[in-house]
Amino acid sequence: DTAVSQTPKYLVTQMGNDKSIKCEQNLGHDTMYWYKQDSKKFLKIMFSYNNKELIINETVPNRFSPKSPDKAHLNLHINSLELGDSAVYFCASSPGTGGSTIYFGEGSWLTVV
Amino acid sequence: GENVEQHPSTLSVQEGDSAVIKCTYSDSASNYFPWYKQELGKRPQLIIDIRSNVGEKKDQRIAVTLNKTAKHFSLHITETQPEDSAVYFCAASFGDYKLSFGAGTTVTVRA
Repeated sequence: DTAVSQTPKYLVTQMGNDKSIKCEQNLGHDTMYWYKQDSKKFLKIMFSYNNKELIINETVPNRFSPKSPDKAHLNLHINSLELGDSAVYFCASSPGTGGSTIYFGEGSWLTVV
Repeated sequence: GENVEQHPSTLSVQEGDSAVIKCTYSDSASNYFPWYKQELGKRPQLIIDIRSNVGEKKDQRIAVTLNKTAKHFSLHITETQPEDSAVYFCAASFGDYKLSFGAGTTVTVRA
């Protein structure tokens, strides 16, 4: 059973398009995240949601809009894709507060051409 | 700031030797310090973690040490094996919900 699953795994799209990545966790966790990993392998937090509420937004361009319909799902919609958006996007979840282990999904490889 | 500095960026060791990766963090309130291993094309996975009330933790060939006064923590891998080759990330908690990662160390174990 996959604990944190995200789709699609691979996505190649043209500049200017709009795309979405979906994420679901079956761990019963309260907190979900989106991380971006660039070509230099740096893992940077983008958003964090706790029980469907946005709690962290790390100066991400407003072309990126997360949505959490319930605490088990956190989707990421990206408008007007740019070349610099090419990266691996990891969804993750954790039990919640006070410093908790984060469990990552398998990643979504986004290539903008 | 919420910075985590990690060194070295690359590390090449002979099989059987030890590998040490060091990290420093900026916020004295940080209380959780996990280490993740990421193999090529895979997700980062937790290998060991330590909390601020503990100075050292060991799990078979890996160990982590924490110096709260100096705000640094280290990962030690002994008797390295080819399967230890990967990118290793340290991380530190900032507040209740944020985990910030170091820039990663690419470890190569030479046979």
